[in-house]
Amino acid sequence: AQSVTQLDSQVPVFEEAPVELRCNYSSSVSVYLFWYVQYPNQGLQLLLKYLSGSTLVKGINGFEAEFNKSQTSFHLRKPSVHISDTAEYFCAVIRSGSARQLTFGSGTQLTVLP
Amino acid sequence: KAGVTQTPRYLIKTRGQQVTLSCSPISGHRSVSWYQQTPGQGLQFLFEYFSETQRNKGNFPGRFSGRQFSNSRSEMNVSTLELGDSALYLCASSQTSGLGRDTQYFGPGTRLTVL
Repeated sequence: AQSVTQLDSQVPVFEEAPVELRCNYSSSVSVYLFWYVQYPNQGLQLLLKYLSGSTLVKGINGFEAEFNKSQTSFHLRKPSVHISDTAEYFCAVIRSGSARQLTFGSGTQLTVLP
Repeated sequence: KAGVTQTPRYLIKTRGQQVTLSCSPISGHRSVSWYQQTPGQGLQFLFEYFSETQRNKGNFPGRFSGRQFSNSRSEMNVSTLELGDSALYLCASSQTSGLGRDTQYFGPGTRLTVL
């Protein structure tokens, strides 16, 4: 079975500052990795995903994430945040191959302060 | 293309009642998955349907069931509602089943409140 740990439940940051949201996973098999964002009263929107290849993945809205196999991490970064980035961010994994079941972390609430 | 739609968006029921939630996937998508989101348990997988067949099921009691129609639309049903069933129920669609690399696109969810 897979599990995902998001180390910070809340991250406050000032506008235009850089941010990193941390995600670690554990799995006995190879996995695909995802970051989703959820704005208030909305569903989840995919930010980016890692399937294979380059370990640095670029996503929408200026976000990027780096897959580190040795540290089993997939941290999300943005060099300069905006007020509109305030939302909850979820890291998720899915077993490569036949599984369709996403396993989510507990989420990180990013609050961008003016 | 229109996104994933879920109806209704909000629902209030009382304990012991049953409820049916509906999900229409993105056109051309044949796989529909359901997730429950609560403050205490977070996001948990309920089940996945593909070609009208349940392919995967999460760790939920038998009160939670679902089905998929030939047009890929899906419904989930919860019988004998309990207070703990209050949650946001999210539906996600993807093009295929069995390929984890396929992106799952989520709908806005149905907020169920059980009184």
